[in-house]
Amino acid sequence: EAEVAQSPRYKITEKSQAVAFWCDPISGHATLYWYRQILGQGPELLVQFQDESVVDDSQLPKDRFSAERLKGVDSTLKIQPAELGDSAMYLCASSLGLAGGGGNEQFFGPGTRLTVL
Amino acid sequence: SQQGEEDPQALSIQEGENATMNCSYKTSINNLQWYRQNSGRGLVHLILIRSNEREKHSGRLRVTLDTSKKSSSLLITASRAADTASYFCATGLIGGSNYKLTFGKGTLLTVNP
Repeated sequence: EAEVAQSPRYKITEKSQAVAFWCDPISGHATLYWYRQILGQGPELLVQFQDESVVDDSQLPKDRFSAERLKGVDSTLKIQPAELGDSAMYLCASSLGLAGGGGNEQFFGPGTRLTVL
Repeated sequence: SQQGEEDPQALSIQEGENATMNCSYKTSINNLQWYRQNSGRGLVHLILIRSNEREKHSGRLRVTLDTSKKSSSLLITASRAADTASYFCATGLIGGSNYKLTFGKGTLLTVNP
């Protein structure tokens, strides 16, 4: 069964350092999402891609966060510099998307747990 | 910001009992989804109910939606220890060719063997 891949699974870094997370969505899924989930909370959308284009980054702290999906397939989320408050689980999800004629179900990867010291 | 609010925040039951979780939201939606998350893992889609549907079933799951009250419920019948997880409702809204999910804070369900 196809799955969303994420790496690394765990990342420990010191504040002010740069970190990067990688996501490989299910093949053929045009829509890719990055979420941040703080312990005890639900996921909050950071950025949404349709193919290689950003369609929603309204909740992305653009002074330190950046995301790209250059070829419309895999994606990278970067934080520079990391702050203590960035400690959270970063989840990637993909879906066929409305344009792909698919349903609205999102398929999630296992996440990257970030700890900033 | 989080749209849905689940109630209760935590629920502990015995194996074989039914578990009911509620979700309330604030704005209009196109559909509502429920997801499960095992400890420290990614989310798994359980069921989607459209705004023009009132009830939907999938195996041991039953979801209801009342758009007039802006609320939904998830019922798990004959619970098992493996059902122990956090359950999230997420409201779905279509804007142009874009679809966005907004998650609630979740209900932590513990099923004791």
